[in-house]
Amino acid sequence: QVQLVQSGAEEKKPGASVKVSCKASGYTFTSYAMHWVRQAPGQRLEWMGWINAGNGNTKYSEKFQDRVTIIRDTSASTAYMELSSLTTEDTAVYYCARNWVGSSWYDYWGQGTLVTVSS
Amino acid sequence: QSALTQPASVSGSRGQSITISCTGTSSDVGGYNYVSWYQQHPGKAPKLMIYEVSNRPSGVSNRFSGSKSGNTASLTISGLQAEDEADYYCNSYTSSSTYVFGTGTQVTVL
Repeated sequence: QVQLVQSGAEEKKPGASVKVSCKASGYTFTSYAMHWVRQAPGQRLEWMGWINAGNGNTKYSEKFQDRVTIIRDTSASTAYMELSSLTTEDTAVYYCARNWVGSSWYDYWGQGTLVTVSS
Repeated sequence: QSALTQPASVSGSRGQSITISCTGTSSDVGGYNYVSWYQQHPGKAPKLMIYEVSNRPSGVSNRFSGSKSGNTASLTISGLQAEDEADYYCNSYTSSSTYVFGTGTQVTVL
């Protein structure tokens, strides 16, 4: 069965970086893309970017373009999202979500990773 | 890229039908049939309910249906049930090869 298992909660200071992992199982990792979506407390879902797990191509939201990096390790079937220069406004739950390359929807989601930014 | 516009809340009685709108522009909703809808219960990850405007994934109740007219997509829930009470988000592909979510709609079952 398809599973996306994310790394645990993180607490960071303003100005630091955070790296969240998303380990995939139950399917051919390189046949799909992985998107990253975040949700601040009580707020809407916000699309951050995605990576084609097959060829490593990425595309980022203009909002996060300068601060986000998404990579993948095909040998570990794992995608990573790193966000730098954190501020308190980056406090949110970060989700990874699978998307078949060539489709436009997310059929499986990770459980979410809470990132708290506080001084 | 601005968020797609959804009503903040929609309510209905059990058994009734409700419709949630999702308004974008010709650069997203109106330009592609790549609109999907997600249901999110508190503290849970979103769940895919509709993809490519009107297609229902296996396992999703046929009480959920989707449509689109111009720059506005819609999700209709018929025969409203208690378990439908949740937040709903639309999502669209954009002309910038990115994606954008809607502002979200809280559905209340009276």
